[in-house]
Amino acid sequence: DTEVTQTPKHLVMGMTNKKSLKCEQHMGHRAMYWYKQKAKKPPELMFVYSYEKLSINESVPSRFSPECPNSSLLNLHLHALQPEDSALYLCASSPPGNRATEAFFGQGTRLTVV
Amino acid sequence: LAKTTQPISMDSYEGQEVNITCSHNNIATNDYITWYQQFPSQGPRFIIQGYKTKVTNEVASLFIPADRKSSTLSLPRVSLSDTAVYYCLVGGHGGGSNYKLTFGKGTLLTVNP
Repeated sequence: DTEVTQTPKHLVMGMTNKKSLKCEQHMGHRAMYWYKQKAKKPPELMFVYSYEKLSINESVPSRFSPECPNSSLLNLHLHALQPEDSALYLCASSPPGNRATEAFFGQGTRLTVV
Repeated sequence: LAKTTQPISMDSYEGQEVNITCSHNNIATNDYITWYQQFPSQGPRFIIQGYKTKVTNEVASLFIPADRKSSTLSLPRVSLSDTAVYYCLVGGHGGGSNYKLTFGKGTLLTVNP
């Protein structure tokens, strides 16, 4: 299994809603990532988890809250988002050591904030 | 982290070889060079990675000169389905802060019939 699975594929939420994005991988990777991608822009790194611990937070607003319950799962909790947060949210994972830059990406969750 | 510079866009025709060059003048000693491909509304896909000289796999070749300040991704005999954005990333290995995979602006390759 060489897949990173993200759910849901599409999400529409209001600015007062609370929702969660989910990401799952069963490749034994110990690094997992959240990226945000706006149209015609490169993916922007948001968070990195290494061995289930948050190792990098790229100054992301607190309305985005990541969680790594175990080595296979990564969640992104969303609360009080703004319309400008509408984007494609990508999850990725990578193996440790010398292959750390060979990341596997999910298909993304297309988020629309109304 | 080393910054990368690539052409914004390139055009090619089916059956041609395409070379996309990336500049990374301040690459560090332990940095590897990695290339990803991304189609619209999909996640990026790992293509190839190298440290020095030449690396080849079933999809592409990667040429890295001795000073490692640039690299060239070579796609042989492109087809229409190779139309995508190609990203060059430079980063270290070993975990920790080296997991910071940062994407530059990328190169939009358009393959024409």
